[in-house]
Amino acid sequence: RKEVEQDPGPFNVPEGATVAFNCTYSNSASQSFFWYRQDCRKEPKLLMSVYSSGNEDGRFTAQLNRASQYISLLIRDSKLSDSATYLCVAPNQAGTALIFGKGTTLSVSS
Amino acid sequence: EPEVTQTPSHQVTQMGQEVILRCVPISNHLYFYWYRQILGQKVEFLVSFYNNEISEKSEIFDDQFSVERPDGSNFTLKIRSTKLEDSAMYFCASSWGGGPEETQYFGPGTRLLVL
Repeated sequence: RKEVEQDPGPFNVPEGATVAFNCTYSNSASQSFFWYRQDCRKEPKLLMSVYSSGNEDGRFTAQLNRASQYISLLIRDSKLSDSATYLCVAPNQAGTALIFGKGTTLSVSS
Repeated sequence: EPEVTQTPSHQVTQMGQEVILRCVPISNHLYFYWYRQILGQKVEFLVSFYNNEISEKSEIFDDQFSVERPDGSNFTLKIRSTKLEDSAMYFCASSWGGGPEETQYFGPGTRLLVL
């Protein structure tokens, strides 16, 4: 299994829709995970950290299933400004490097 | 809000030339990183740096690459003899701590094009 794997999409949804992205990871010892957002030709920006079973921040909810080595990101009430690539990220065991998935592209239309 | 800055934003060079990419990490951060992203591909780790030493490097970070913290604010990535396949976006990142729960903050990147 690749270290961090994501469905590349693209996901094309209308404004107001709920959309979920999935991510699987191979290192069962990983304790923390991140969702970063990357706009076209820009740097990754932290969206959410996931340390325990999950995290919620406004319209965004991240969930972690350690048994299945699976992380999800749920976006409710999608906005046009949510259009971006969402990167699932796991640190290596020492925390000295971030391992990125290829990203899932979301396009929200009016 | 403090941020990581990088210069130049774009660099065009000829194959075989040396390039130095510069980064100013967030001022109270202690850990520094370089990543690269080839167009259309995922972000890849190159190297991490702490206390004036490399903490970890990937297999991409071969002998043509080096990093340095020449003063109290700058963190540089040098590519000694550039190859066509070095064309990519290079991101610098920094974090306060070095553990797996630490958030890394990314700079805006330097787009390197090797001709």
